[in-house]
Amino acid sequence: RKEVEQDPGPFNVPEGATVAFNCTYSNSASQSFFWYRQDCRKEPKLLMSVYSSGNEDGRFTAQLNRASQYISLLIRDSKLSDSATYLCVVSLSGGYNKLIFGAGTRLAVHP
Amino acid sequence: DTAVSQTPKYLVTQMGNDKSIKCEQNLGHDTMYWYKQDSKKFLKIMFSYNNKELIINETVPNRFSPKSPDKAHLNLHINSLELGDSAVYFCASSLQRTFQETQYFGPGTRLLVL
Repeated sequence: RKEVEQDPGPFNVPEGATVAFNCTYSNSASQSFFWYRQDCRKEPKLLMSVYSSGNEDGRFTAQLNRASQYISLLIRDSKLSDSATYLCVVSLSGGYNKLIFGAGTRLAVHP
Repeated sequence: DTAVSQTPKYLVTQMGNDKSIKCEQNLGHDTMYWYKQDSKKFLKIMFSYNNKELIINETVPNRFSPKSPDKAHLNLHINSLELGDSAVYFCASSLQRTFQETQYFGPGTRLLVL
């Protein structure tokens, strides 16, 4: 079983749509959780950290359920510029910042 | 203005050759990383250095040898390149080694082994 599993995608949605990505992680020692965004042929960039209480950044809302080991990302009012691959990422506890990446979910927003 | 930079951006070489990739960060971070992203786009950590000390060493063939001359630089030397080494190699850095810290990635080095 992969340590971080994501929806396979791709998601093809029209502009203005709301889209949700799901992610599960297998290691209960995971302590920090993130969504990264990776554009085609570019480096990953942090989109947002994910907190147990849930957090929102503009059109993006992230949720974490530690009991179910489940993370989600909701994008409202999709823009063309949201087209990218969204990577679910966890970091284990301890003194090392070892990020475990999911394989990513590709989003294509069309006019 | 570049935060994390890598050279070269592209590298095409023959099997059996030895090559190096360089990484530099000007963020004043203590911790640097090497990741490999294979053809299936799966990103996996290889090594991490904290202030020139190796702290993460994943199951990577010993043909791969990282070196950190100072905390702003992390290089990756690969001996006897194989076809399976073809991938994109990303360098990253974070302020500290703890799990809460954001990692900032370089633009990647696309390695193709023929």
